[in-house]
Amino acid sequence: KQEVTQIPAALSVPEGENLVLNCSFTDSAIYNLQWFRQDPGKGLTSLLLIQSSQREQTSGRLNASLDKSSGRSTLYIAASQPGDSATYLCAVYYPSGGYQKVTFGTGTKLQVIP
Amino acid sequence: ETGVTQSPTHLIKTRGQQVTLRCSSQSGHNTVSWYQQALGQGPQFIFQYYREEENGRGNFPPRFSGLQFPNYSSELNVNALELDDSALYLCASSWRTEPEKLFFGSGTQLSVL
Repeated sequence: KQEVTQIPAALSVPEGENLVLNCSFTDSAIYNLQWFRQDPGKGLTSLLLIQSSQREQTSGRLNASLDKSSGRSTLYIAASQPGDSATYLCAVYYPSGGYQKVTFGTGTKLQVIP
Repeated sequence: ETGVTQSPTHLIKTRGQQVTLRCSSQSGHNTVSWYQQALGQGPQFIFQYYREEENGRGNFPPRFSGLQFPNYSSELNVNALELDDSALYLCASSWRTEPEKLFFGSGTQLSVL
């Protein structure tokens, strides 16, 4: 059974700071890993998807890395802004019973203080 | 915006009632998955439909059921509602390729009183 853990559960930083969010998973036999952002009471916005053959993906101020062997992914946010305040979720895609299954972490709630 | 639409956005029901939630997939997508997200938790996989057949199921009881239609839109039905069913229900559509990236709708917030 794939288990996904995100640390820390909550994070508060001053505006402008660089920060790292962590995601760990128990089974390294994954297809992909995807990072999402969720605003309160809203759906999920995809940030970055890393295929199992890749080690990182970048989009603007965001950089996500993947180390399958150690079961870890990090999301790096550069020069944080108040608008980055949200919950960040990682999702692991993996094979299960002949189809692809997705397990989410519980998220990291980020607050960027102006 | 992903092109995945869910209705209604909010719903209030009482314990024991039945509810139907709807999802319209992004154009060209043939797979739809449903997730339940309780407050403060990550989304939990309910089930997935591919070409109108259930193709995988999470740890949810049979009173959670679904349908996928020929146009790939989908319904989630929940019978005999319980208080713990109160959650955000998310629908995600995808095209069965590698990588099978999920595109999520904005969700339906269900409150069971």
